[in-house]
Amino acid sequence: NAGVTQTPKFRILKIGQSMTLQCAQDMNHNYMYWYRQDPGMGLKLIYYSVGAGITDKGEVPNGYNVSRSTTEDFPLRLELAAPSQTSVYFCASSLGQGAHEQYFGPGTRLTVT
Amino acid sequence: GEDVEQSLFLSVREGDSSVINCTYTDSSSTYLYWYKQEPGAGLQLLTYIFSNMDMKQDQRLTVLLNKKDKHLSLRIADTQTGDSAIYFCAESIKGGSYIPTFGRGTSLIVHP
Repeated sequence: NAGVTQTPKFRILKIGQSMTLQCAQDMNHNYMYWYRQDPGMGLKLIYYSVGAGITDKGEVPNGYNVSRSTTEDFPLRLELAAPSQTSVYFCASSLGQGAHEQYFGPGTRLTVT
Repeated sequence: GEDVEQSLFLSVREGDSSVINCTYTDSSSTYLYWYKQEPGAGLQLLTYIFSNMDMKQDQRLTVLLNKKDKHLSLRIADTQTGDSAIYFCAESIKGGSYIPTFGRGTSLIVHP
């Protein structure tokens, strides 16, 4: 199993540009998550999904959108990039409610200038 | 609500024990986790403990929980340079979504 994969690894965006961060898992996990990690800070939850077709906002959803059309994929969309969205983005998955372990992807480092 | 606090840095000598501390605020039934993040990588679960337990040991790792003070610690015995990483404490609520709330992470530096 590849686990959780994320693309791209790095990206530089200009203010106002859009992009989609890709995330896929091959473990047949129901739950998927998007976090952002700012320097010296913990992880902040952006959006999560408990299954295909179901998404919900986390702690910091503004400026982002998600979709979950399949169990495997959970892309994160930035429509109008702003410098405040400069961060490292992590996708994670877990089997389901009560399953304790989250499996994380390697992250996408995004810079908005 | 949930809030997780931990110190930001810890420096130890190779072979010594490391103790990383964490405090949490929610007194509801809780799962508490320790995750490790190596440079340039995602987080990896090291261990977790339920709030009705006092201690959990797994090889070089010992987790101690003081429920009265809402204090959690991770002890790494015989710390090695490969243990250098950021360690995150996290908390989730039983019966809720189980989505963890993370602390800011403790950067452990192991020097020879």
